[in-house]
Amino acid sequence: EVQLVESGGDLVQPGGSLRLSCAASGFTFSSLWMSWVRQAPGKGLEWVANIKQDGSDKYYVDSVKGRFTISRDNAKNSLYLQMNSLRAEDTAVYYCTRGRWGMDVWGQGTTVTVSS
Amino acid sequence: DVVMTQSPLSLPVTLGQPASISCRSSQSLVHSDGNTYLNWFQQRPGQSPRRLFYKVSNRDSGVPDRFSGSGSGTDFTLKISRVEAEDVGVYYCMQGTHWPPFTFGPGTKVDIK
Repeated sequence: EVQLVESGGDLVQPGGSLRLSCAASGFTFSSLWMSWVRQAPGKGLEWVANIKQDGSDKYYVDSVKGRFTISRDNAKNSLYLQMNSLRAEDTAVYYCTRGRWGMDVWGQGTTVTVSS
Repeated sequence: DVVMTQSPLSLPVTLGQPASISCRSSQSLVHSDGNTYLNWFQQRPGQSPRRLFYKVSNRDSGVPDRFSGSGSGTDFTLKISRVEAEDVGVYYCMQGTHWPPFTFGPGTKVDIK
C-alpha cells in the first residue's frame, strides 16, 4: 500500500524552529519528486516546496524562501522540511505529497502551531 | 503567479441532483509540451485532500464515474452528475503548468441542502 506518514508537528514560539518528517512506503521513493503543501486553520491549500528525485533541485513559495529548507534521504525513504524563523502565519497542517505536479497521494498531515 | 479562481465558493445541493464547479486561471494552462496540468482535489471534512482528476479529465482510480472533469485553456469544470452524501466537502482546482509556485483555487464547499 502506498503511504505517506508525516510527523514532527508541534507548538513552537515565534522565531523558533521545527523539523517535519514524512516517511514514504509502498512505492519507489527515489523515483519521484516530493512536495509539501500546507493548510492554515479554516483556509485553503498552499503549496510550500518541492524537491527533485536526487535532491538537486528545490523550489519554494516566496513566503518561506530563506526560512524553510526541503530535503530528502532516499536511503531512508524520507522527506523533510526544516522550518526556521517561524511566524504565526506558518500555523497550519503540513501535508507531504508525491509527484511534481501530480500530487496523487497525500499523508494525513502534521500540525504546526506558532504561538507564544 | 497564476491566479486560480473558483465559482461558486459555496454550493448547497440536493441529493441526487447535479452539481457543477467552475475553475478559471489567470493565464492559459497549456504547457509547451502540449499537456494541460490542471488537477481537481476533494477534501472531505476532517480528511486529507484526495486527487480526483489530473490533466483536466483523467479520472483517478476509485473515483466514481458520476464525477467528470473538462475544460481547456483557462476555463475548467468539475461536474457531479448525481450528488451523494459522501460528496460533501471542499473541492479545489490546482494548476501545475506554470510553476513555481503551484497554485490552488480557493475551494468550493459542497454541502447538502
